[in-house]
Amino acid sequence: GQQLNQSPQSMFIQEGEDVSMNCTSSSIFNTWLWYKQDPGEGPVLLIALYKAGELTSNGRLTAQFGITRKDSFLNISASIPSDVGIYFCAGPNYGGSQGNLIFGKGTKLSVKP
Amino acid sequence: SAVISQKPSRDICQRGTSLTIQCQVDSQVTMMFWYRQQPGQSLTLIATANQGSEATYESGFVIDKFPISRPNLTFSTLTVSNMSPEDSSIYLCSVYDRGYGYTFGSGTRLTVV
Repeated sequence: GQQLNQSPQSMFIQEGEDVSMNCTSSSIFNTWLWYKQDPGEGPVLLIALYKAGELTSNGRLTAQFGITRKDSFLNISASIPSDVGIYFCAGPNYGGSQGNLIFGKGTKLSVKP
Repeated sequence: SAVISQKPSRDICQRGTSLTIQCQVDSQVTMMFWYRQQPGQSLTLIATANQGSEATYESGFVIDKFPISRPNLTFSTLTVSNMSPEDSSIYLCSVYDRGYGYTFGSGTRLTVV
């Protein structure tokens, strides 16, 4: 079935540094989604990508939909303490019949002030 | 996006008991999903809640353990039955709307003792 391989698993960075994380798959996706999950909360959508090659920004966040449609990355520039959390990539489960999302394993971000 | 109210936000339960989690959406949605997030893990789909018919379960999840109701297009419940410590997880309700995409509730953090 479809799987999303997300890396790195965790990151420890200094405030002000830039962050990059990525997601790859052996299957083609037509949509890539990036979510952030704060402790005790559900995931919140950060960026949605719908077209191969698309580069989309949301404030300090930038995400790209890979040209092969098998990968995506998320960059965070000039990190701040509130960026702490777990970031998930996700895509529609084309292999199933339910219309749900499948998720990467997440990247846990820690920011040192 | 759709606004989801999920209750309870957290609970501590005795093994062998059952807990029912409610998911209320502020608009009618076609698709509602229930996910489980085990400690330190990603999200895994339990089932799709179908309005007016039995839920569709993913492999590894059964109706006797996770009965789901969906009496209308804005409400669903998930029951975790005969709980054991292995059921300690965050349970998340999610909906899909063509206009807004996928939205998640804030989750129910369940601890079974």
